[in-house]
Amino acid sequence: AQTIHQWPVAEIKAVGSPLSLGCTIKGKSSPNLYWYWQATGGTLQQLFYSITVGQVESVVQLNLSASRPKDDQFILSTEKLLLSHSGFYLCAWSLWGGNQDTQYFGPGTRLLVL
Amino acid sequence: AQSVTQPDARVTVSEGASLQLRCKYSSSVTPYLFWYVQYPRQGLQLLLKYYSGDPVVQGVNGFEAEFSKSNSSFHLRKASVHWSDSAVYFCAVSMKGGRALIFGTGTTVSVSP
Repeated sequence: AQTIHQWPVAEIKAVGSPLSLGCTIKGKSSPNLYWYWQATGGTLQQLFYSITVGQVESVVQLNLSASRPKDDQFILSTEKLLLSHSGFYLCAWSLWGGNQDTQYFGPGTRLLVL
Repeated sequence: AQSVTQPDARVTVSEGASLQLRCKYSSSVTPYLFWYVQYPRQGLQLLLKYYSGDPVVQGVNGFEAEFSKSNSSFHLRKASVHWSDSAVYFCAVSMKGGRALIFGTGTTVSVSP
């Protein structure tokens, strides 16, 4: 069975500090990977997606970047946090094609920027 | 462009009562349709999905949803709710082969004893 792990579980960071959030998928080969952001009490907005190692597409520019260094790993980062980066970050995976397009979500990382 | 509307921000129901959550979508072609649930301070869990075929789809924990092409809707139902169904429910759409999953604004369900 596949598992999706996100780290850290939660972070409190200062404005202007760097950030790195991670996501690991186990049990699936070559998944599509996604990053979503959810403002407190809000809906989800897709930030990035990746269909293969080394390839990342940006959907929304929020002064964040993403990388896929390994088939099972997706990293979200920034060098300088803004107050507006606070929220809940969710990683998701899917397979490719037909009814495998369903996205499955990880447990999320809660970020508070002060 | 696709969009999803969940007109009810909050719904309160008594335990044992039935529940219906509304979802309307806008798309030039029939999209893939999903309902997800988010329990407090957790990630999203898939309740059910519709790709094609029978317009009534069954999901987990007694939930079902009905697709209506004429109404561009995908309403979620449960015959008898339990206190543990208290959560935020999101409707979402995507296109076949597409990467984007477009979410509605969510409906917060509170089940009272």
